[in-house]
Amino acid sequence: AQSVTQLDSQVPVFEEAPVELRCNYSSSVSVYLFWYVQYPNQGLQLLLKYLSGSTLVKGINGFEAEFNKSQTSFHLRKPSVHISDTAEYFCAVINTGGGNKLTFGTGTQLKVEL
Amino acid sequence: NAGVTQTPKFQVLKTGQSMTLQCAQDMNHEYMSWYRQDPGMGLRLIHYSVGAGITDQGEVPNGYNVSRSTTEDFPLRLLSAAPSQTSVYFCASSSRQNYGYTFGSGTRLTVV
Repeated sequence: AQSVTQLDSQVPVFEEAPVELRCNYSSSVSVYLFWYVQYPNQGLQLLLKYLSGSTLVKGINGFEAEFNKSQTSFHLRKPSVHISDTAEYFCAVINTGGGNKLTFGTGTQLKVEL
Repeated sequence: NAGVTQTPKFQVLKTGQSMTLQCAQDMNHEYMSWYRQDPGMGLRLIHYSVGAGITDQGEVPNGYNVSRSTTEDFPLRLLSAAPSQTSVYFCASSSRQNYGYTFGSGTRLTVV
């Protein structure tokens, strides 16, 4: 079975500063990896995904993530954040072994301050 | 293109009552799932389906039933509501090729 760990429950950052949200996964087989964003009182929106190919994945709103197989990580980064990036961010994983069960981490609340 | 539609958006139930949360998608996706979201716990998988007529249990299935008679619809049934089922429920769907799930806007359920 797969699992996802997001060690940081909250990350405060000043506007225009860079940010990294950490995600580590555990799986006995190959995985697909995802980052979702949830704005207050809304559903989840896909930011980016890694299925195969280049380990650096670019997503919407200027976010990118890098798949590191040796460290089993998929950290999310943005070089300069905006107030509108304040939201909760979820890392998620699917085992390539079968089915399409998406397993989520517990989420990281990003708070961008002036 | 409506995507994933969930109804109702809000619901208050009394302990012991039953209800069905509706979920419909118009993207012809094979996979559909139900999640519940609770503070500090992320989203936990309740039930999922890989196609019409095929369902399976997720991480927290107790107290919930599902069926999938058509590709489009995947209702979630609470047979006898309990306060522990107070949560926000999300339905999601994905194609077999794409793997990127599309989420509905959620149903906020309170059991008193």
